[in-house]
Amino acid sequence: DAKTTQPPSMDCAEGRAANLPCNHSTISGNEYVYWYRQIHSQGPQYIIHGLKNNETNEMASLIITEDRKSSTLILPHATLRDTAVYYCIVITGANNLFFGTGTRLTVIP
Amino acid sequence: GAVVSQHPSWVICKSGTSVKIECRSLDFQATTMFWYRQFPKQSLMLMATSNEGSKATYEQGVEKDKFLINHASLTLSTLTVTSAHPEDSSFYICSAYREPSYNEQFFGPGTRLTVL
Repeated sequence: DAKTTQPPSMDCAEGRAANLPCNHSTISGNEYVYWYRQIHSQGPQYIIHGLKNNETNEMASLIITEDRKSSTLILPHATLRDTAVYYCIVITGANNLFFGTGTRLTVIP
Repeated sequence: GAVVSQHPSWVICKSGTSVKIECRSLDFQATTMFWYRQFPKQSLMLMATSNEGSKATYEQGVEKDKFLINHASLTLSTLTVTSAHPEDSSFYICSAYREPSYNEQFFGPGTRLTVL
């Protein structure tokens, strides 16, 4: 599975959009980009995933560049409850998830 | 969404004892479950893949004789930490796919193990 690189931490003002980047320059054609998040002392929570098209659900939007070497998770209106560690993971379908260090997002009042 | 539960949520034990952690899929069947370990301020590390009716597959560096995994039914996997030591103190988390969909893994709330 391709390696991903994320900034270690980010801050975002409450009510503003949070844009979390992820680099996955070695991604292969059949690998999906998945995003999970982990709120402190809880199990991770699935957010969204995509292959090459942009995706949107009730939680977030996922923008994948045309060359698929990077992506951005967008939380359109961040709330304090969105404070968590966000993990970008690249895998081929139903595979084991290997978590990197993620981005610690802090939403500031 | 699908629900995965773990029991207990927190356990404190003496060094040398064995501790069993249960992972249940409450509203779906799971032929495969995953066990992770997370040390403070670190990321999750996959320990093993639990397969219903067969032996678990362990990741490199994980001692299978120390971390016994049993997946006896389609809704229950157990992780037993045998002869626990303080260095085994960690946050243990299980997960499963809600088959036949493999779009997302559903994670349990985790079990915090403290070995004195």
